[in-house]
Amino acid sequence: GNSVTQMEGPVTLSEEAFLTINCTYTATGYPSLFWYVQYPGEGLQLLLKATKADDKGSNKGFEATYRKETTSFHLEKGSVQVSDSAVYFCALSDQGSNYKLTFGKGTLLTVNP
Amino acid sequence: GAGVSQSPSNKVTEKGKDVELRCDPISGHTALYWYRQSLGQGLEFLIYFQGNSAPDKSGLPSDRFSAERTGGSVSTLTIQRTQQEDSAVYLCASSPIAGGSTDTQYFGPGTRLTVL
Repeated sequence: GNSVTQMEGPVTLSEEAFLTINCTYTATGYPSLFWYVQYPGEGLQLLLKATKADDKGSNKGFEATYRKETTSFHLEKGSVQVSDSAVYFCALSDQGSNYKLTFGKGTLLTVNP
Repeated sequence: GAGVSQSPSNKVTEKGKDVELRCDPISGHTALYWYRQSLGQGLEFLIYFQGNSAPDKSGLPSDRFSAERTGGSVSTLTIQRTQQEDSAVYLCASSPIAGGSTDTQYFGPGTRLTVL
């Protein structure tokens, strides 16, 4: 079955630091890959996605590249802000599983001023 | 436009009581998903609707859980004889269709269920 493994947190950074949150996956088909973000007290929001190998998803300064050879979709941002403090979830979906999302356990990011 | 809405936002109930959770998807979205978010288990899939039918119920944890969708729109998740382990945030998501380039799921704010 499908599974997602992401870097355990929590991660604490200073403002303007570089961020990487690792995510690897196992899937039987050709999945789409997602990063969702949950800000404090808010619901899940899509941050970015990639639907095929070598695609790069990007949004709000965050990027992730779909690497089929390493089954990875690592999230990066060059300079984090306090407002990026949130829980980040890596997820996948594929046709064989009716496109239901399989999530990683989430990584709590705290950015200090 | 309006996003996915869920009601109630919070529900506190006593063990053994039945509860109903409601989801209003984005208008025109044919696919609807229920998930559960709990501290111990993370985010788990419960059930998927395509229109009014549920081709995938594989995530429902027991026969105390059921869901329906009417008119291809509103969905209700019912938990009978609630147990303390049912305490979680129940999330609903919808997408225009299931699959392809439009397979982004849009989430509602969730219903926080607490079973005393």
